[in-house]
Amino acid sequence: KAGVTQTPRYLIKTRGQQVTLSCSPISGHRSVSWYQQTPGQGLQFLFEYFSETQRNKGNFPGRFSGRQFSNSRSEMNVSTLELGDSALYLCASHGPGTSGGPSSYNEQFFGPGTRLTVL
Amino acid sequence: GENVEQHPSTLSVQEGDSAVIKCTYSDSASNYFPWYKQELGKGPQLIIDIRSNVGEKKDQRIAVTLNKTAKHFSLHITETQPEDSAVYFCAAKSDSNYQLIWGAGTKLIIKP
Repeated sequence: KAGVTQTPRYLIKTRGQQVTLSCSPISGHRSVSWYQQTPGQGLQFLFEYFSETQRNKGNFPGRFSGRQFSNSRSEMNVSTLELGDSALYLCASHGPGTSGGPSSYNEQFFGPGTRLTVL
Repeated sequence: GENVEQHPSTLSVQEGDSAVIKCTYSDSASNYFPWYKQELGKGPQLIIDIRSNVGEKKDQRIAVTLNKTAKHFSLHITETQPEDSAVYFCAAKSDSNYQLIWGAGTKLIIKP
């Protein structure tokens, strides 16, 4: 199986602009989660999408939004960029086991990330 | 809320020595504990995991131990090699949650 892909890999924007990042999950995975990782920081959970619906959300301002398409591909958007938004944005896909409930969502498969620099 | 504490934040060991990273979780319902390794320029990758019905699990040079009573679990790497240099994350999850609760990460440096 092909792994999780993220595009673009690198992006440079200026303050006030908006940006859209894309993530294609592993085939068959219907859940996609997004994380922000800043230097020296851990994985800050942004949100999770399942079957085109946001299922979970972290503590980020409304400038951060996302969506998921019927083929499970997901995009996240950041509007009105700030310097502090410079980070590595990771997406992870995971698929249910046989039960389909939360107990079957365990291993997450990460993409290589998109490195966003805001000048 | 639920959280996972991870220590140390940085660990430097001599090549060939052992490394131990420790995590403590708060949600007593947690029953799945994975460890991820993140190499430079890459996303995290699962290296080993353990469920609450098991006290220890080994895979070659890496092992994870779990103490449910104390609510902590540890990653042990023996005979460390340069390729073990990376950031390691622990996480915890219960059956009622879809999401993992992540530790803050440990940067492991292997000195030649």
